Amino acid sequence: DTEVTQTPKHLVMGMTNKKSLKCEQHMGHRAMYWYKQKAKKPPELMFVYSYEKLSINESVPSRFSPECPNSSLLNLHLHALQPEDSALYLCASSQVVGDEQYFGPGTRLTVT
Amino acid sequence: GESVGLHLPTLSVQEGDNSIINCAYSNSASDYFIWYKQESGKGPQFIIDIRSNMDKRQGQRVTVLLNKTVKHLSLQIAATQPGDSAVYFCAENKPDSWGKLQFGAGTQVVVTP
Repeated sequence: DTEVTQTPKHLVMGMTNKKSLKCEQHMGHRAMYWYKQKAKKPPELMFVYSYEKLSINESVPSRFSPECPNSSLLNLHLHALQPEDSALYLCASSQVVGDEQYFGPGTRLTVT
Repeated sequence: GESVGLHLPTLSVQEGDNSIINCAYSNSASDYFIWYKQESGKGPQFIIDIRSNMDKRQGQRVTVLLNKTVKHLSLQIAATQPGDSAVYFCAENKPDSWGKLQFGAGTQVVVTP
């Protein structure tokens, strides 16, 4: 298995909702990442997990809350989002931090 | 500030021709570079990488060239095919911020028949 999977593919949520994005990989990678990508822009790093511990938080607002329950799973919990948070949220993994990263297909999030 | 950037936002290439996508970087301490391809509606796909102790690396139909003197990176695609139409990003990984990929702005490659 050489892929990163993400669910759901699309998500529409109101500003008062709570939702979660999920990411899974079975490549034995010990580093996992969340990125945000706006249309026609490059991905922007949000969080990095290394061996299930948060190692980098790029000053992301607290309405985004990451969680790494085990080495294969990465979640992103969403609460009280703003319309400007609408974007493609990408998950990636790598063998260890610093190695080439492999991306999932993303979750297209729309905040209404 | 320090950044990774691309010279051409859009590149139109005839099918069968070779493509060259360029990328400039400003941090001379960067020691690892990656090229990604992103098709519409998909996540970035790893193409090829190169470390700063090399100046050339070849893959299947792709070659990455690194010129540290002028801080320039390029991706060459041989015999461009319609399936190569996508946005191509270069990314750098700096040794003082390991794990933080910094992406360039991206180049849209359009392959015409």
